[in-house]
Amino acid sequence: EIVLTQSPGTLSLSPGERATLSCTASQSVSSTFLAWYQQKPGQAPRLLIYGASTRATGIPDRFSGSGSGTDFTLTITTLEPEDFAVYYCQRYGTSPLYTFGQGTKLEIK
Amino acid sequence: QVQLQESGPRLVKPSETLFLTCGVSGVSITNNNWWSWVRQPPGKGLEWIGEIYHDGRNTYNPSLKGRVDMSVDKSKNQFSLRLNSVTAADTAVYYCGRNGVYSVDYWGQGTLVTVSS
Repeated sequence: EIVLTQSPGTLSLSPGERATLSCTASQSVSSTFLAWYQQKPGQAPRLLIYGASTRATGIPDRFSGSGSGTDFTLTITTLEPEDFAVYYCQRYGTSPLYTFGQGTKLEIK
Repeated sequence: QVQLQESGPRLVKPSETLFLTCGVSGVSITNNNWWSWVRQPPGKGLEWIGEIYHDGRNTYNPSLKGRVDMSVDKSKNQFSLRLNSVTAADTAVYYCGRNGVYSVDYWGQGTLVTVSS
């Protein structure tokens, strides 16, 4: 089973700064099968990025995804107050079909 | 727009069966999509439980060791989750969702199910 490890566990930044979140897979993952989600307290996850770099419907362009193989990155260019949340990467594959990273908490510094 | 809503008992006794339903609106469940259940223990990360297609085909997470069963009711535009022999470890927020492009693109608001006597 492929394991996704996200780093850092917690990222403390200020509004207006740039955030870089990492997701490392224990084996190579096709970029087609890599997605990112945002989750705020008490809310369901929200799909941000699929196919490693394609923004989902309605997602602002300050969110971008990149990467290939075992290393993937979610970048938020200019943090807005509403961006502080937990972020998960997810991979589609085999057994189980969907696996998630453990999450990165983006908190206000 | 696509909306999903989980419903079912919030409290289940140990060793009994958890049963949840996901009502879908804004799109037909017979559309060309798979439908998933995902859960999240309090304060923890996300775990995919399984998925189902409107014709009954399904794939489950092996970690649940055969305790899972999903079904579709096309007449009510909804799908359901059954989890047998629950323990305290099954206490979680349960989400239903629609599968998009190798991801879950629409989510229900989630429902907390507590396993306790």
